[in-house]
Amino acid sequence: EVQLLASGGGLVQPGGSLRLSCAASGFAFSSYAMSWVRQAPGKGLEWVSAIRGGARTTFYYADSVKGRFTVSRDTSKNILYLQMTTVRAEDTAEYYCAKSVSWNDEDYLDSWGQGTLVTVSS
Amino acid sequence: EIVLTQSPDTLSLSPGARATLSCRASQSVNSNYLAWHQQKPGQAPRLLIHGASSRATGTPDRFSGSGSGTDFTLTISRLEPEDFGVYYCQENGRTFGQGTKVEI
Repeated sequence: EVQLLASGGGLVQPGGSLRLSCAASGFAFSSYAMSWVRQAPGKGLEWVSAIRGGARTTFYYADSVKGRFTVSRDTSKNILYLQMTTVRAEDTAEYYCAKSVSWNDEDYLDSWGQGTLVTVSS
Repeated sequence: EIVLTQSPDTLSLSPGARATLSCRASQSVNSNYLAWHQQKPGQAPRLLIHGASSRATGTPDRFSGSGSGTDFTLTISRLEPEDFGVYYCQENGRTFGQGTKVEI
């Protein structure tokens, strides 16, 4: 059974940094594309970042976070990360990690984690 | 960049009714990459439909997807109380529509 457990959220000041983690189990983690999707309070879903599966790792970012967020994975620990820097109030959201059905991040997301809340406030 | 527009924003129906949700893309999309996700209050989203019309594992057969090109539809044939929530279409593993809230 696929399990995705996101953690690392919390209160952070504007301009600060935070690292989110997503522990994955139940599938061949390195072979699948993984994504981060966020949801601001009372709003819809917004794709944030993706990392392709397989040997040649490729990263993708939404324009709203490009240059500030970095996605990575540790295949020895089966953990997906999202390093958030220079955070802004508009980054306040529930952050979900999600698994793609294949190595290709453009394919559909077939499993979601439970989310971790990030609040940016002074 | 493709924009997905869902309609209506809110659907208020009674149990047993038929629900029709629309997702329109700003340009033609590959149906293989068109998915629908359901999100209930306080929960993470869950995949319902992929490839525009294929039900995900565990999706009841009252849910069906159809469409191609720029116009896609999610139909719930007979609403059950547990079907309330917000439904999102997604394209290319990234772009989401704004969601349709189904109120029972």
